[in-house]
Amino acid sequence: ETGVTQSPTHLIKTRGQQVTLRCSSQSGHNTVSWYQQALGQGPQFIFQYYREEENGRGNFPPRFSGLQFPNYSSELNVNALELDDSALYLCASSLDVSPGSGSEAFFGQGTRLTVV
Amino acid sequence: AQSVTQLGSHVSVSEGALVLLRCNYSSSVPPYLFWYVQYPNQGLQLLLKYTTGATLVKGINGFEAEFKKSETSFHLTKPSAHMSDAAEYFCAVTTGTASKLTFGTGTRLQVTL
Repeated sequence: ETGVTQSPTHLIKTRGQQVTLRCSSQSGHNTVSWYQQALGQGPQFIFQYYREEENGRGNFPPRFSGLQFPNYSSELNVNALELDDSALYLCASSLDVSPGSGSEAFFGQGTRLTVV
Repeated sequence: AQSVTQLGSHVSVSEGALVLLRCNYSSSVPPYLFWYVQYPNQGLQLLLKYTTGATLVKGINGFEAEFKKSETSFHLTKPSAHMSDAAEYFCAVTTGTASKLTFGTGTRLQVTL
């Protein structure tokens, strides 16, 4: 059973650019959540996907968007990067029997994004 | 809306001493509560969780936490600290799906000889 894997592990981008981060869910999991963890802070919920549909969004602007594929892997896209977007981006997967039903979330190692 | 407050951004204990990391929550409905640990340059690992039932929850690596509704607390304890416990600890709450978590700001645990 493979765990949650994220790629790339580190990334440096210039302000104004666009970035795509990727996440492979743990085998059998159908729900993916994305979190942003700024330095010295706790993770902040960005959004969640259940069976390819968005199922909840945190307080993030529309330039943060996502996608979940039929194999339940996921992408996080951020447009028009700002310096404050520099953070560790964490992906978590879980197996939910229905949207919002709740189950334990398993986290990946994260992608460290630096915007210069 | 729910929130979590972790008292003490840094806690230092001697090896073998009691570990106590404090967490208070705010929630308008019965919460699910979690403790996660994060080692440097790593993701989050679940230590333990409270959903319903027994209020004293035992987790991995000898940690446990007690849900106290009257005090809106979910403090994490370990009787005897080990050097390998040095890490960042996060308390989290949800009132719905366990994968939509609201985290505290974290407590960095330092263990000294």
